[in-house]
Amino acid sequence: GQQLNQSPQSMFIQEGEDVSMNCTSSSIFNTWLWYKQDPGEGPVLLIALYKAGELTSNGRLTAQFGITRKDSFLNISASIPSDVGIYFCAGQRETSGSRLTFGEGTQLTVNP
Amino acid sequence: NAGVTQTPKFQVLKTGQSMTLQCAQDMNHNSMYWYRQDPGMGLRLIYYSASEGTTDKGEVPNGYNVSRLNKREFSLRLESAAPSQTSVYFCASSEDWVNEKLFFGSGTQLSVL
Repeated sequence: GQQLNQSPQSMFIQEGEDVSMNCTSSSIFNTWLWYKQDPGEGPVLLIALYKAGELTSNGRLTAQFGITRKDSFLNISASIPSDVGIYFCAGQRETSGSRLTFGEGTQLTVNP
Repeated sequence: NAGVTQTPKFQVLKTGQSMTLQCAQDMNHNSMYWYRQDPGMGLRLIYYSASEGTTDKGEVPNGYNVSRLNKREFSLRLESAAPSQTSVYFCASSEDWVNEKLFFGSGTQLSVL
């Protein structure tokens, strides 16, 4: 069953605002990933994190691998209309290869 | 370079009908996956193929079958569709089973009436 809790479920923000979302689990993960899904498309990988405490940026996006290895955070700075979509976290428990577990997603709406 | 291509984009079935969703990737990836996406449930793995010639059940395999036709193609079959299978289906691939970076197709929206 679902092992990742992603919050918030949805966000409605104004263009230019910063956004924060997170993913928590009762299990330890060795890899955290963040995907974005545009309307009518499949998810696309944004950021991959491999080490506890790691902080990685991709343009206006910054993601962190929690030090407990049970959580991860994604921040979007100065949001723009094209940031609209569903953001998914995903975790992999074993570096030797295991199936990804996905969060439920955060639906982001940006008002111009 | 098309990446992962899924067909069809949309499909409406009556309960009990069968159909096959097609997926092909042109990235020479070893591993392929089928997910379903339902509101509030995220992405759930139906079946996967770690390498050509192998297939394994994921989290929600009941009511589905798969075929890894060759390295490029991985199909998903619904033998007798049920309303509970109304969903958006995504095919994905990765370089290999150890590599967690998935590349997704654009999805098939399936409605079972």
